[in-house]
Amino acid sequence: EPEVTQTPSHQVTQMGQEVILRCVPISNHLYFYWYRQILGQKVEFLVSFYNNEISEKSEIFDDQFSVERPDGSNFTLKIRSTKLEDSAMYFCASSDLMQAAKNIQYFGAGTRLSVL
Amino acid sequence: GENVEQHPSTLSVQEGDSAVIKCTYSDSASNYFPWYKQELGKRPQLIIDIRSNVGEKKDQRIAVTLNKTAKHFSLHITETQPEDSAVYFCAATSYGQNFVFGPGTRLSVLP
Repeated sequence: EPEVTQTPSHQVTQMGQEVILRCVPISNHLYFYWYRQILGQKVEFLVSFYNNEISEKSEIFDDQFSVERPDGSNFTLKIRSTKLEDSAMYFCASSDLMQAAKNIQYFGAGTRLSVL
Repeated sequence: GENVEQHPSTLSVQEGDSAVIKCTYSDSASNYFPWYKQELGKRPQLIIDIRSNVGEKKDQRIAVTLNKTAKHFSLHITETQPEDSAVYFCAATSYGQNFVFGPGTRLSVLP
């Protein structure tokens, strides 16, 4: 069964450094999402992306964050200057057209970001 | 915007007993309510969902009920097993909107 894959599984970085979290959505999917989950807290929506542009973003997704689909398979989340409070599990999700219309999203396994 | 509350935050049941987790939502426009199971360190997995045109949906030991008037929906797990132990998240959304998740319920099934 196709899966959303995310790399790395764990990223450790120093405060102020830039990080790029990578996601490979399911191959025929067109809608992409990033969520984050601070340890012990609920999953929070960050951003959705369709047709090479951001569809929606939350208040968490400030100027420090950006997303990109650099090629036909990858979807990346960049944090320009990481802060301690950026430490969280970051989940990528994707949907195809029909699934997006039904609000169905498939989640990757997540990247744990630790900012020291 | 939508706000989702979830209760209880932790739930312990004996193996074989039933577990019920309840969520309330605030936006009457929400029409899709998925439930996700998240085992420790793993991705959230969709286990069941319900749309606003249906009052109840069942899949083997798992069922979800929806009361649109009261704006609440519940997850029911019968004959619980140790592998049901996980954090369960409810969410609410409507077409074109993104998920708003509840804070989660940590379910522990005791042998």
